[in-house]
Amino acid sequence: GAGVSQSPRYKVTKRGQDVTLRCDPISSHATLYWYQQALGQGPEFLTYFNYEAQPDKSGLPSDRFSAERPEGSISTLTIQRTEQRDSAMYRCASSFGPSYEQYFGPGTRLTVT
Amino acid sequence: GIQVEQSPPDLILQEGANSTLRCNFSDSVNNLQWFHQNPWGQLINLFYIPSGTKQNGRLSATTVATERYSLLYISSSQTTDSGVYFCAVEAGGGADGLTFGKGTHLIIQP
Repeated sequence: GAGVSQSPRYKVTKRGQDVTLRCDPISSHATLYWYQQALGQGPEFLTYFNYEAQPDKSGLPSDRFSAERPEGSISTLTIQRTEQRDSAMYRCASSFGPSYEQYFGPGTRLTVT
Repeated sequence: GIQVEQSPPDLILQEGANSTLRCNFSDSVNNLQWFHQNPWGQLINLFYIPSGTKQNGRLSATTVATERYSLLYISSSQTTDSGVYFCAVEAGGGADGLTFGKGTHLIIQP
């Protein structure tokens, strides 16, 4: 596609529910990143994929967070048993490859009530 | 991990003024990018500049990798330049994603 897209743009969920966020990267991009951005802060790295491989999960805050990219294109980020502290903007970015310029999607604003 | 410090944290200017934003980082980098987060929350790419100097219209950037800093210059500011400017780096030695600074919050008054 022309740019990185994410859905939904906004998600409100109750504490304890599971949520799944979706990212559709730029079509020629092999590398895909997930970030979490708290209000008033810069984005923080969660995890990344090279095609379908996930070399680094070090930024995921807990085992409630998981990500997939089964066919090397679209990716999902799932948060199980959501907690209020999970409320944040979740951003996806893609790049041609590792260390190339990253392009960000519009983000999903998650609110856990 | 790598540390990124941006200064100043806040800046208020009149339309037409020039400004310089600074980004210091604590280790060698494979990637350095400047972003503008506009009031609608979009993160807009300004420069991919792990070293050297680039210019794009009223904006230019310089990264001196050996001294571990980067500068973003904004000339003839316009109200649409308002927002948060982030510097983000990827540490040398592996693709661990970008580490962002806390940003410079810029307000351009008419």
